[in-house]
Amino acid sequence: QVQLQESGPGLVKPSETLSLTCTVSGGSISGYYWSWIRQPPGKGLECIGHVSNSGDIHYNPSLMSRVSISLDTSKKQLSLKVNSVTAADTAVYYCARGEVAIHPLTYYMDVWGKGTTVTVSS
Amino acid sequence: SSELTQDPTVSVALGQTVRITCQGGSLRSYYASWYQQKPGQAPLLVIYGKNRRPSGIPDRFSGSTSGNTASLTITGAQAEDEADYYCNSRDGSSNHILFGGGTKLTVL
Repeated sequence: QVQLQESGPGLVKPSETLSLTCTVSGGSISGYYWSWIRQPPGKGLECIGHVSNSGDIHYNPSLMSRVSISLDTSKKQLSLKVNSVTAADTAVYYCARGEVAIHPLTYYMDVWGKGTTVTVSS
Repeated sequence: SSELTQDPTVSVALGQTVRITCQGGSLRSYYASWYQQKPGQAPLLVIYGKNRRPSGIPDRFSGSTSGNTASLTITGAQAEDEADYYCNSRDGSSNHILFGGGTKLTVL
């Protein structure tokens, strides 16, 4: 079955760039949306943004000035970059596969990675 | 509206029925999906669409929607259902993905 694995540095210094990769195995990239979601310690889930394999990208308005998401279909990898990080960017970062069902119209994320913890600290 | 609102905490006696609600304008365009998250684990999809359950999710979990309010119902709550539950939808105009703030379910 499809598996997602996040990877990247666990510690990033303030003002630097956070870079993460999510590798998709056991299934196709095509026909799905691929999302980055984060969860600060003790808090709820926040969608950073998502991308389709056709290149349609949507970012959370509160983060879009600092965030970049890309999808490499040949490598089956989803990437995330967050610029100018602060302590507020400390969180567990998840990647997830999304689908849109038509009848009724529903967006849901049925496959999640285990998450990777990123701490912003000097 | 671009927000989804959930009650922060809900409790239920073991074996009883509990309903967790999610309110937001986006639910008039997109049905909600629901996720269960236990400590230290990734979220797990439990309900999506018009009451659809992924394989392996017990049938005591069900979902419904009325207007701008979606509900997740657990009929005969078990101790292992104690977790945080999040609703999720998509804004029909901006296509942004939205999460509710989460509901912590305690099984007494």
